[in-house]
Amino acid sequence: DAEITQSPRHKITETGRQVTLACHQTWNHNNMFWYRQDLGHGLRLIHYSYGVQDTNKGEVSDGYSVSRSNTEDLPLTLESAASSQTSVYFCASSEQGRTVDTQYFGPGTRLTVL
Amino acid sequence: AQSVTQPDIHITVSEGASLELRCNYSYGATPYLFWYVQSPGQGLQLLLKYFSGDTLVQGIKGFEAEFKRSQSSFNLRKPSVHWSDAAEYFCAVVSNTGGFKTIFGAGTRLFVKA
Repeated sequence: DAEITQSPRHKITETGRQVTLACHQTWNHNNMFWYRQDLGHGLRLIHYSYGVQDTNKGEVSDGYSVSRSNTEDLPLTLESAASSQTSVYFCASSEQGRTVDTQYFGPGTRLTVL
Repeated sequence: AQSVTQPDIHITVSEGASLELRCNYSYGATPYLFWYVQSPGQGLQLLLKYFSGDTLVQGIKGFEAEFKRSQSSFNLRKPSVHWSDAAEYFCAVVSNTGGFKTIFGAGTRLFVKA
């Protein structure tokens, strides 16, 4: 069965370190998204991609970067981790191009920055 | 700007009782609306969606939602709640400003008591 996976599931790091969260989907979806989930805020969009070599900034992109070198993966990098980036991070994908479609979510990565 | 409001942070219902979760949106054009459910420690799963047509939409797990344009609402309902429905529920609207991006409400946590 097709799926979307995230790794690691839990990560503890220190302020100032670079951290990369992996997202891999086997749906062959064009669109991929990264969200962070914080209490009281729901999910907020960090970055998204409509296809290989395409990346776009979302609502809360400062301090984060992504790259899309193939269809399956969209790694999220925190260049210099800050305590404010402690959160749960979700990756999602959807099939269509730049149109409305259902998103399929990974299980999440809980990141703690000390 | 587009926004989604879920007025209830948490709701407690008895098993077997009916449920209604409220969602109000702010959107200038015809909205694309979604309800997602998140079980503890998991990613989000689509319950149902509204794009056009019949304003009463059926979803998985016995849920339904009704789109009311005059009230800018898309409330989620279930006639008889099961203990397994305890989870967090997110309403979302798709914004087509600068590409199709999903805007999530802050979520409503549902508790089910025996």
